[in-house]
Amino acid sequence: EPEVTQTPSHQVTQMGQEVILRCVPISNHLYFYWYRQILGQKVEFLVSFYNNEISEKSEIFDDQFSVERPDGSNFTLKIRSTKLEDSAMYFCASSYAIYEQYFGPGTRLTVT
Amino acid sequence: GQQVMQIPQYQHVQEGEDFTTYCNSSTTLSNIQWYKQRPGGHPVFLIQLVKSGEVKKQKRLTFQFGEAKKNSSLHITATQTTDVGTYFCAGPMRKGGADGLTFGKGTHLIIQP
Repeated sequence: EPEVTQTPSHQVTQMGQEVILRCVPISNHLYFYWYRQILGQKVEFLVSFYNNEISEKSEIFDDQFSVERPDGSNFTLKIRSTKLEDSAMYFCASSYAIYEQYFGPGTRLTVT
Repeated sequence: GQQVMQIPQYQHVQEGEDFTTYCNSSTTLSNIQWYKQRPGGHPVFLIQLVKSGEVKKQKRLTFQFGEAKKNSSLHITATQTTDVGTYFCAGPMRKGGADGLTFGKGTHLIIQP
């Protein structure tokens, strides 16, 4: 069964450093998303991407964040200058239509 | 902005007992989705409800969407240890489009054998 994959599974970085989280969505999906989940809390929407552009973004997705689909398979989330409060699990998701979303296993980001 | 609230936050049940979680949105939803997250795992899609008053069943799970399309519930009959996890409801941020989901805080289901 097709699945969303994410790398790395765990990323440790120092405050102020740039990180890039990578995702490979399911191949025939058209809509791509990033969410984050701080430990023990709810899943929070960051950004959605369709037709090679951002469709919607939340107030969390400020100028420190950016997304790219550099080729036909990868979808990346960049955080330019990480803060302690960026520590969370970051989930990539994709969907074929605007409904059911398939989540990847997540990247645990730890900012020290 | 849109808020999605879920109760209870935690539910302890004995194996074999029933379980229900309730979800309320501050706005009318075009659809509502339910996800399950096992401990240490990622959200997994369970079901989507679209129509007012809709009821769907998946084996021991029954999902309902309210008449006003602002509330929903998930009921599990005769819980099993495999049901352990957090159940989230989620609604689209806007009608249509490639928009993300607003998740509730989830209900953690803890089952005592």
